[in-house]
Amino acid sequence: SQTIHQWPATLVQPVGSPLSLECTVEGTSNPNLYWYRQAAGRGLQLLFYSVGIGQISSEVPQNLSASRPQDRQFILSSKKLLLSDSGFYLCAWSELAGANQETQYFGPGTRLLVL
Amino acid sequence: DAKTTQPPSMDCAEGRAANLPCNHSTISGNEYVYWYRQIHSQGPQYIIHGLKNNETNEMASLIITEDRKSSTLILPHATLRDTAVYYCIDSEGGSQGNLIFGKGTKLSVKP
Repeated sequence: SQTIHQWPATLVQPVGSPLSLECTVEGTSNPNLYWYRQAAGRGLQLLFYSVGIGQISSEVPQNLSASRPQDRQFILSSKKLLLSDSGFYLCAWSELAGANQETQYFGPGTRLLVL
Repeated sequence: DAKTTQPPSMDCAEGRAANLPCNHSTISGNEYVYWYRQIHSQGPQYIIHGLKNNETNEMASLIITEDRKSSTLILPHATLRDTAVYYCIDSEGGSQGNLIFGKGTKLSVKP
């Protein structure tokens, strides 16, 4: 069965510091991968998605970047964190199961607090 | 912004069926109806999805009206662990469809 891991689970960082969040998926090959952010009391916002190694699509302009160095590894980074980067970061994966059927499955999330 | 509308909250007695409604007034022909739930401080959990026909799995049943403008998620025997925020989403799925989560329905299962 497939599993998705994220770490760290929680992170407190000062403004201006760098960031690296990691997501890995097991039990599947060539998944689509996604990074979402959920601000407190709000819905999920899609940040990036990737359909393959080195292929990254950005959904919103921001202070963050994403990379996919390996098939089942997705990394979210920032060179200098802003206060507004605080939130709950979720990684998700999907695979094509039929025509237009790609259910997304989410990881446990990383809670980031920028002070 | 979310394309679906849901009641903000519902209560259900433990052991009873929980019926969560959703309106999909702008759903398009190639969009599926997805249901997820999010327990506090955890990632969203996939529950079920469907296109036109009613669906059932080990977690829940999904009833979709013939015009596809509304759906109902049914948890047949709610437990305290089913307390969560439930989201219905119209999506083409995967990289073709951004999952836009609205505010969902906060379901409280009470003993």
